[in-house]
Amino acid sequence: SYELTQPPSVSVSPRQTARITCSGDALPNRYTYWYQQKPGQAPVLVIYKDTERPSGIPERFSGSSSGTTVTLTINGVRAEDEADYYCQSADSSGHWVFGGGTKLTVL
Amino acid sequence: EVQLVESGGGLVQPGRSLRLSCAASGFTFGDYAMAWVRQPPGKGLEWVGFIRNKYDGTTEYAASVKGRFTISRDDSKGIAYLQMDSLKIEDTAVYFCTTSDLWGPGTLVTVSS
Repeated sequence: SYELTQPPSVSVSPRQTARITCSGDALPNRYTYWYQQKPGQAPVLVIYKDTERPSGIPERFSGSSSGTTVTLTINGVRAEDEADYYCQSADSSGHWVFGGGTKLTVL
Repeated sequence: EVQLVESGGGLVQPGRSLRLSCAASGFTFGDYAMAWVRQPPGKGLEWVGFIRNKYDGTTEYAASVKGRFTISRDDSKGIAYLQMDSLKIEDTAVYFCTTSDLWGPGTLVTVSS
């Protein structure tokens, strides 16, 4: 089965840059989506189609892609960005696949 | 207001059935595919399945629920459904409906004897 691999945790100081990676063999051929989830809340889409940012999402959130790895970058991290982040793509049948999630800690 | 709201969760015994609903408002429901995603307590997100928009209406399911769960939609009411049969303890989770860019708050399903 198709898998997406994320680091379990990333820690960063306020105002620094956080980078969260997501790896998968089919990523060069599939769009990736990124979700932010805070405790007790529903996920929120922060990046779609690898690099696009939905309206209302701060400009400090950006996405990039290189080969089999996509990256969510948060510039100038704030305390409010502390959350779990999930990447999501699709397999060859169109079935959604989620990464295991990355817990972002703001020190 | 643009929103999705799930309902129908609760405590159910193994082997029994439950139907969840997802009520949409504030957008043209029929134009969108609707997905169900679940999250077991303390764990990550797991895709359950989706139903394509009203022009297609076909469904896809995760292997873990195929043959037990059925997704349907009523475009006249703006509601998507998740019929869950032969429930197992491992189906315990918060269930979300989503268009990808819009998510409901979720509803908790607990399967326990």
